[in-house]
Amino acid sequence: EVQLSESGGDLIQPGGSLRLSCAASGFTLSNYAMSWVRQAPGKGLEWVSAFSGGGDGTYHADSVRGRFTVSRDNAKNMLYLQMNSLRAEDTAIYYCAKAGGPTFYKYGMDVWGQGTTVTVSS
Amino acid sequence: DIQMTQSPSSLSASVGDRVTITCRASQGIRNDLGWYQQKPGKAPKRLIYAASSLQSGVPLRFSGSGSGTEFTLTISSLQYEDSATYYCLQHHSYPLTFGGGTKVEIK
Repeated sequence: EVQLSESGGDLIQPGGSLRLSCAASGFTLSNYAMSWVRQAPGKGLEWVSAFSGGGDGTYHADSVRGRFTVSRDNAKNMLYLQMNSLRAEDTAIYYCAKAGGPTFYKYGMDVWGQGTTVTVSS
Repeated sequence: DIQMTQSPSSLSASVGDRVTITCRASQGIRNDLGWYQQKPGKAPKRLIYAASSLQSGVPLRFSGSGSGTEFTLTISSLQYEDSATYYCLQHHSYPLTFGGGTKVEIK
């Protein structure tokens, strides 16, 4: 069974750093594109970052570019999101999501994790 | 960036009603669109992929249509368990973008 499990969310002060992890099971992470999507309290869904399958292409939303970095460890079947210079507006539930193929183009997001909560507050 | 305009933002309907939700893309995205259902406290779940294909295990009362810039999600006969917020997602190009969501309530 394909499953995603996020961890690493915490209460962090503005300006701080945090690394989120997403453990993948039931499939080989390197063969699929993966994304991080967040949802601020009471708000809609916002795409954050993506890592292409089969290569090393990474993509980030303008709102996090230069502060967040997506990476993966193929040997551990893990996806990460390194978040630096955190702001109050980064407070959200962070989900990792899997593409249906090596890219999101044509395949979309088919499986989501349960999410991990990041709260940025002093 | 491709903007996704979703309407209505909320609706209230009775069990058995036919419900339609619309997403409009700011530029053509072929059929690179999915529809998702999210219940409170839960992760989104994909209902429709490639604009009109039903995800395995999803009830047949859900259907999607459209291509290019206009897309619809239809629930043919609304059930109590369909109370949720629905989102469209365009995955034609980066940045990936979601519609603003439609909250469906049961009268």
